Amino acid sequence: LAKTTQPISMDSYEGQEVNITCSHNNIATNDYITWYQQFPSQGPRFIIQGYKTKVTNEVASLFIPADRKSSTLSLPRVSLSDTAVYYCLVGDRGSTLGRLYFGRGTQLTVWP
Amino acid sequence: EPEVTQTPSHQVTQMGQEVILRCVPISNHLYFYWYRQILGQKVEFLVSFYNNEISEKSEIFDDQFSVERPDGSNFTLKIRSTKLEDSAMYFCASSAWTSGRASYEQYFGPGTRLTVT
Repeated sequence: LAKTTQPISMDSYEGQEVNITCSHNNIATNDYITWYQQFPSQGPRFIIQGYKTKVTNEVASLFIPADRKSSTLSLPRVSLSDTAVYYCLVGDRGSTLGRLYFGRGTQLTVWP
Repeated sequence: EPEVTQTPSHQVTQMGQEVILRCVPISNHLYFYWYRQILGQKVEFLVSFYNNEISEKSEIFDDQFSVERPDGSNFTLKIRSTKLEDSAMYFCASSAWTSGRASYEQYFGPGTRLTVT
C-alpha cells in the first residue's frame, strides 16, 4: 500500500485557487489516486479520481505527473464553504475489496 | 441525488450494553462498508460486505462487532457489549460494482455519533 504525504494544513482566501499536493513515492502500477473531502461531523465525500495526466470535473481538477509520484488537487476560486479536510488516497483498483485508507488529510481553511 | 442514510444520528449507551446502528445504502449499490472516526482522529475502516458476507475486516472489527443485511435495504452494525473506547462517529458507506470490482468512489452517510458512558 502506497504511503501518502500531504500538508497538515493550508490557508486561503475566498476567490483564490488552491492547490493541495500529495506525494506517494511508492505508488504501484495498478494504483489510482482518489481525493475525498470531509466537513466537520459529516462523512467523507468523493471528489475526484485519476490514474495519470489530468482529470477535471465540476468540482476540482487533479494533476498527475508522468512519474505518478505525486498528485495535485486544484480547487478553483474557493469559497468559505470549501473549508474542510481533504484526503489523498492511493489504492489498487485491481482489488475487489475497495477498502479505503484515510490519513490525516489536509485541513483547508478559507478566509473571507 | 441518491444518498446513504443512517439512524440514529446520535446514540448514548452505557458500557456493556448492545447497540445497533442502522444504514440504508444507495439502492443499486452492491458493496457496503462501516468506518469509524474517533473525535480528532483518522477515519478507520471496520468492515466491508458484499453478497451477504463479509469481504474484509480490520483488526478493530473483533468478536464484539457484527454486521447484517436483514432485508433488501438495511445494513446494520451491532456492537454486543460496548466499551468506553467505542465512542466515535460511525459512518456507513456504499459503492457500486464497476468492471468486476468495488469502486473507490464510495458514498458515505452522515454518521451516527455513539457515546458510551
